Amino acid sequence: GAVVSQHPSRVICKSGTSVKIECRSLDFQATTMFWYRQFPKQSLMLMATSNEGSKATYEQGVEKDKFLINHASLTLSTLTVTSAHPEDSSFYICSAAARTGGEKLFFGSGTQLSVL
Amino acid sequence: GIQVEQSPPDLILQEGANSTLRCNFSDSVNNLQWFHQNPWGQLINLFYIPSGTKQNGRLSATTVATERYSLLYISSSQTTDSGVYFCAVEDISYNTDKLIFGTGTRLQVFP
Repeated sequence: GAVVSQHPSRVICKSGTSVKIECRSLDFQATTMFWYRQFPKQSLMLMATSNEGSKATYEQGVEKDKFLINHASLTLSTLTVTSAHPEDSSFYICSAAARTGGEKLFFGSGTQLSVL
Repeated sequence: GIQVEQSPPDLILQEGANSTLRCNFSDSVNNLQWFHQNPWGQLINLFYIPSGTKQNGRLSATTVATERYSLLYISSSQTTDSGVYFCAVEDISYNTDKLIFGTGTRLQVFP
């Protein structure tokens, strides 16, 4: 199946710093990628849709100035958590759409962000 | 927006037992997928099943789109089946590949 690589897998940072998370589709091109956030023992909540070459589309309640998304190429989307605070600590997961048979969306392995 | 509810929220089994997980959704969907999230957070595709029935080893799934539900069957469960199972749907009115995740079922299988 299609492979999505997400990096880093874990990051610990001080409050007020910015953190960048990368999501790469390794063996296919993805015009659209998605960013999810998951708090402990909860479901995945869609944050935004990342579109190659255009602005991201954010879900209601997600601050676009805090969660900066850049989709500069057909294989790379980045999520930057700006001025991180402890309440931003969460598990962040990206996904990308691949037109391979029936399975449409493939997910990265996630990034555990801990803000001290 | 579309609502996706899963039941039961928690399930504890002894190895070898069978189980059925349910996913109800509130509106018509383009796509429905079942995922297993392992203890390290990785989401693993189990089935792409907008309708009909599929089987893969000890797992099978059935989606009845007209009645807006899907079932995931796990037979002869193993400890490695432990984790959280999510169904996720794509709202038919948007056609954007955007998946909305259900509430999840946390499965624990004991030896």
